[in-house]
Amino acid sequence: GNSVTQMEGPVTLSEEAFLTINCTYTATGYPSLFWYVQYPGEGLQLLLKATKADDKGSNKGFEATYRKETTSFHLEKGSVQVSDSAVYFCALPYNNNDMRFGAGTRLTVKP
Amino acid sequence: DAGVTQSPTHLIKTRGQQVTLRCSPISGHKSVSWYQQVLGQGPQFIFQYYEKEERGRGNFPDRFSARQFPNYSSELNVNALLLGDSALYLCASSLPGQGRFGYTFGSGTRLTVV
Repeated sequence: GNSVTQMEGPVTLSEEAFLTINCTYTATGYPSLFWYVQYPGEGLQLLLKATKADDKGSNKGFEATYRKETTSFHLEKGSVQVSDSAVYFCALPYNNNDMRFGAGTRLTVKP
Repeated sequence: DAGVTQSPTHLIKTRGQQVTLRCSPISGHKSVSWYQQVLGQGPQFIFQYYEKEERGRGNFPDRFSARQFPNYSSELNVNALLLGDSALYLCASSLPGQGRFGYTFGSGTRLTVV
């Protein structure tokens, strides 16, 4: 079945550093791919998505490109801020009813 | 517009007790899903309900049950609580058949079993 493997953390960066969080997927066909973010003490928020191969999702300065050649959907941001400190989850649909998530990557950005 | 709302936000129960968690989806969303997120892990799918019927079930024991009401709100029940049931329980809603385009999650109910 569909699954994602996510880069393990934690990741600690200084403010304005470049961020990459790796995510690779295994899937039948080409399902939509997602990044969710979870801020401390909160639920999950959809950060960005891509619905087909070669699509680029973007939001709040974050980007991820759906690459079928490498089965990857890496999350990037050119200049992180302290407010980006959170846990980031890569995800994809398992079937019509179920979303499968990676284990999450905790990002801490220091001033 | 209100997002997905869950209640209560926090709950402490004793082993063996029963608990009921509640969720109201976004207005217009008729599909509700429940997820369990154990500390340090990603969310795990428990149930999905649509039109008051169970449409999907994850790998959870029968102690877990749920239902959906005519107004599309939902309850998750867990019986005979175990210490391992301590987790953040998340509710997510979507338009019917649109879950593959992403869910909207509530802030969750943090359940602690002691």
